[in-house]
Amino acid sequence: AQTVTQSQPEMSVQEAETVTLSCTYDTSESDYYLFWYKQPPSRQMILVIRQEAYKQQNATENRFSVNFQKAAKSFSLKISDSQLGDAAMYFCAYFSTGANSKLTFGKGITLSVRP
Amino acid sequence: DAGVIQSPRHEVTEMGQEVTLRCKPISGHDYLFWYRQTMMRGLELLIYFNNNVPIDDSGMPEDRFSAKMPNASFSTLKIQPSEPRDSAVYFCASSLVPGGQAFFGQGTRLTVV
Repeated sequence: AQTVTQSQPEMSVQEAETVTLSCTYDTSESDYYLFWYKQPPSRQMILVIRQEAYKQQNATENRFSVNFQKAAKSFSLKISDSQLGDAAMYFCAYFSTGANSKLTFGKGITLSVRP
Repeated sequence: DAGVIQSPRHEVTEMGQEVTLRCKPISGHDYLFWYRQTMMRGLELLIYFNNNVPIDDSGMPEDRFSAKMPNASFSTLKIQPSEPRDSAVYFCASSLVPGGQAFFGQGTRLTVV
């Protein structure tokens, strides 16, 4: 079964600084997708970034980028030039493409941004 | 499209009562997921459907929980009887294809007293 692990429950970053959120996953599949979702206090789930496992190039979206290490089953999110609006809970997620195509989330990490 | 629509937004009920949560996925999306979010356990996948068929319900906590998807535009999650430990935020999400972006509803905050 696929599992997603986010071992850090909380992190804090100074405004304008860079922070990296960690995520590891376990799977026996070779084809899958990885995601980072953001959940602000409004509880809306917002897609931050998406990575296809078959692509070696790391995905980027403006200030957000990932470090995808397929062999190590690691998928970390880097937020550059942190802004107050980045404060939220962040979830790492795995979406398999095999017969059991389910979307599994980690427990999340709460990111606070200090002004 | 208006996105994934869940109702109600908030539900307060007494222990032992039946609770029904509703979800309308985005039109054309083949995958529908039900999640429960708590501080202790994070986002737990309860069940998911593909083309209205339940594929994996291994996350359903016990027989008090049931989910249906009678057609492509509607799904329900029912708890009968409800218990205080069922208090949580329940999310519904839909996706067009495996690996595609999952779109979430606003969630239903359930409180069982």
